[in-house]
Amino acid sequence: DADVTQTPRNRITKTGKRIMLECSQTKGHDRMYWYRQDPGLGLRLIYYSFDVKDINKGEISDGYSVSRQAQAKFSLSLESAIPNQTALYFCATSVHSYQETQYFGPGTRLLVL
Amino acid sequence: AQSVTQLDSQVPVFEEAPVELRCNYSSSVSVYLFWYVQYPNQGLQLLLKYLSGSTLVKSINGFEAEFNKSQTSFHLRKPSVHISDTAEYFCAVKLPGTASKLTFGTGTRLQVTL
Repeated sequence: DADVTQTPRNRITKTGKRIMLECSQTKGHDRMYWYRQDPGLGLRLIYYSFDVKDINKGEISDGYSVSRQAQAKFSLSLESAIPNQTALYFCATSVHSYQETQYFGPGTRLLVL
Repeated sequence: AQSVTQLDSQVPVFEEAPVELRCNYSSSVSVYLFWYVQYPNQGLQLLLKYLSGSTLVKSINGFEAEFNKSQTSFHLRKPSVHISDTAEYFCAVKLPGTASKLTFGTGTRLQVTL
């Protein structure tokens, strides 16, 4: 089984709809991250959490919210989806260390019509 | 704040040819440097990293990168590529310290053909 899983893998939604993307990990890592990937822009950090009670905004948090339900679960919500949120979304985890190698999930492809 | 520049968005190369993917960083302090690889329809995975010590770091599949402080570069090289190396490669930088985060470059798509 994969260490970092994301559901759904693909999602099509309409403008204005609320949508939640979920991430689960079995690696026992305390840190979790949400990124979006757009062609030509690389990965940009949306939110990150260093532990269950620590949630922080990344560089592009507007229009998104997150919930860290447990050490192993970190959800990303789009309260009212808009077309420019169409992107590939990745969850990642890492352990608290100076090296901080990040481990990525397989991604969720989101299309907002 | 630190930043990363990958000037080449795409690099086409024939199988068994050498390749270099360029990465330059900007930071006023020492940094950690990483290369991540994204194979088609997959998430990113760490390829190699420079934290300190020897400036030449190697991966298990034949890639290597050299940290050059004077040039502020961390270029990725492989002397002979294989079809299976076709992927997108991301350079990333991080400040030392456990509270800092990764900053990714825009990626370079390596396309290996016969």
